[in-house]
Amino acid sequence: DAGITQSPRHKVTETGTPVTLRCHQTENHRYMYWYRQDPGHGLRLIHYSYGVKDTDKGEVSDGYSVSRSKTEDFLLTLESATSSQTSVYFCAISGTGTNEKLFFGSGTQLSVL
Amino acid sequence: SQQGEEDPQALSIQEGENATMNCSYKTSINNLQWYRQNSGRGLVHLILIRSNEREKHSGRLRVTLDTSKKSSSLLITASRAADTASYFCATLLTGTASKLTFGTGTRLQVTL
Repeated sequence: DAGITQSPRHKVTETGTPVTLRCHQTENHRYMYWYRQDPGHGLRLIHYSYGVKDTDKGEVSDGYSVSRSKTEDFLLTLESATSSQTSVYFCAISGTGTNEKLFFGSGTQLSVL
Repeated sequence: SQQGEEDPQALSIQEGENATMNCSYKTSINNLQWYRQNSGRGLVHLILIRSNEREKHSGRLRVTLDTSKKSSSLLITASRAADTASYFCATLLTGTASKLTFGTGTRLQVTL
């Protein structure tokens, strides 16, 4: 998957607990993205980063925060997990962000009970 | 609401037949991309078409773009069982650098 590693691959957690998902890339790409995938909604952008410490919100950012302290790592944190955040989370990267294709990780299946 | 909507939601064909999937979008775009997703896996990029292009080919794939109708189609010719997957269109909206918006996908089943 183009040098992208997501961890963990699966996680079960309880409502109200904080959760952090990690995306690690070895491609030295500038842009990194977090999407969530739910039946009937396709993929929806949560947050993205256009450089170290440079991040911006996507269309479904409420309840999520991100951090990027190094080019290779992009962290997604659910501050207080809710059942509506049960989903498959995908990290993606691209070189320029415009007119460029995205490379996706294998996804993290998160269940919030 | 979704920027891109694929049609049909599901398509079942026999091996050797052609598969056509359509994508409609709502606002002006910079480019439109198609991705494929096998069950339980991440998405894989198939093809990108820019707003000033009308048709592109890649192997057995043919993509058209009609900006006046705000629609695109993906044609897979001579389909194979291995083409069974979900297919998504994604649009890069004009003025929104770096944020791709995905549709809800078409589930393609190719039977032997």
